[in-house]
Amino acid sequence: DAMVIQNPRYQVTQFGKPVTLSCSQTLNHNVMYWYQQKSSQAPKLLFHYYDKDFNNEADTPDNFQSRRPNTSFCFLDIRSPGLGDAAMYLCATSRGALAGRSDTQYFGPGTRLTVL
Amino acid sequence: AQSVTQLGSHVSVSEGALVLLRCNYSSSVPPYLFWYVQYPNQGLQLLLKYTSAATLVKGINGFEAEFKKSETSFHLTKPSAHMSDAAEYFCAFRMDSSYKLIFGSGTRLLVRP
Repeated sequence: DAMVIQNPRYQVTQFGKPVTLSCSQTLNHNVMYWYQQKSSQAPKLLFHYYDKDFNNEADTPDNFQSRRPNTSFCFLDIRSPGLGDAAMYLCATSRGALAGRSDTQYFGPGTRLTVL
Repeated sequence: AQSVTQLGSHVSVSEGALVLLRCNYSSSVPPYLFWYVQYPNQGLQLLLKYTSAATLVKGINGFEAEFKKSETSFHLTKPSAHMSDAAEYFCAFRMDSSYKLIFGSGTRLLVRP
């Protein structure tokens, strides 16, 4: 089945220790998104890649970076995690403009990040 | 500004009762609308979507939603709640000129035995 995969599902890191979260997709979608979701809140878009083009949201802290080495993979790097970065991180994909009005985001299972 | 509002952060129903989760959007032109469900410690799963075809949209797990332009609404319904429907539900919309989603604040559905 085509899907969005996130690894690991649970990640524990120490305050200030860099961490990388991984997302891969078998949908061959053009767009990959990273969201941060804190408890009892809606997902908040951090950034997205449309193919190789990186699009950062204006209020995303510099502490968050992303890489997309190829169509299938996208990484979220948190350079110096603080206690406030503890959250669920969701990866999503969509076809983008090629899908027109039918463009739909499909989400992975998420990575729960704990910062000690 | 474009936005989506979900009325009621928590909705509680008895098993077998009607489920109604409310969603209203604010936009000068009708957007594309989505309902997602999120179970604890899981990602978001698409329930259904409106993309300007039929105004009554049927989704998975027996859910459906009706787009009403005059009321700027896209409420989610299910005739008979099941215990397994207990989850967080998010309404979201996307404008024609963008592929970014704007989410509502979510509604937690509780199903009483």
